[in-house]
Amino acid sequence: AQSVAQPEDQVNVAEGNPLTVKCTYSVSGNPYLFWYVQYPNRGLQFLLKYITGDNLVKGSYGFEAEFNKSQTSFHLKKPSALVSDSALYFCAVRDGGFQKLVFGTGTRLLVSP
Amino acid sequence: EAGVTQFPSHSVIEKGQTVTLRCDPISGHDNLYWYRRVMGKEIKFLLHFVKESKQDESGMPNNRFLAERTGGTYSTLKVQPAELEDSGVYFCASSQERPRGTDTQYFGPGTRLTVL
Repeated sequence: AQSVAQPEDQVNVAEGNPLTVKCTYSVSGNPYLFWYVQYPNRGLQFLLKYITGDNLVKGSYGFEAEFNKSQTSFHLKKPSALVSDSALYFCAVRDGGFQKLVFGTGTRLLVSP
Repeated sequence: EAGVTQFPSHSVIEKGQTVTLRCDPISGHDNLYWYRRVMGKEIKFLLHFVKESKQDESGMPNNRFLAERTGGTYSTLKVQPAELEDSGVYFCASSQERPRGTDTQYFGPGTRLTVL
């Protein structure tokens, strides 16, 4: 069965510092990996995805994620955090043979001024 | 281009009542998905339509939930009768047809359902 783990309920970082939000996954086939962000009182917004190819994926708002097959990880990163990045971040995976997304429990990112 | 829209944004009902949630996907998107997030837990898949056909309804919790997508456009999710554990945020997503699993699902703002 597919599963996603986001080991941190919350990540705190100071504005201007680099940030990392962790995600590990488990699938039986080829993983397709996604990051979504949810701002307060808003829906889920797509940030980026890994399907195949380059292990470093660049997405919206300066975010990027690195696919690591050996560690089954897909951590979200940003070189310099902004206060406006404060939100709830969800990692999701698809097993290549299925359409549905399997989500992690979410990580709340708090960026302090 | 308009995004995925959902109505209502918030619904408060009594246990035993019926509620119908509506989702309008992005125009031209054949795939439509329903998900639910209960009490701050992970977002869980409910079902998937391709046009008007149910492709996968493995996540539907029980027969109190009925989803339809008449004509392959908007979709409704009816809960009848509602129970306390049905409270949560119901998300709808849509995507274009792509090689299997590679499409991006675009989500609506969600409907927050509270069952008292």
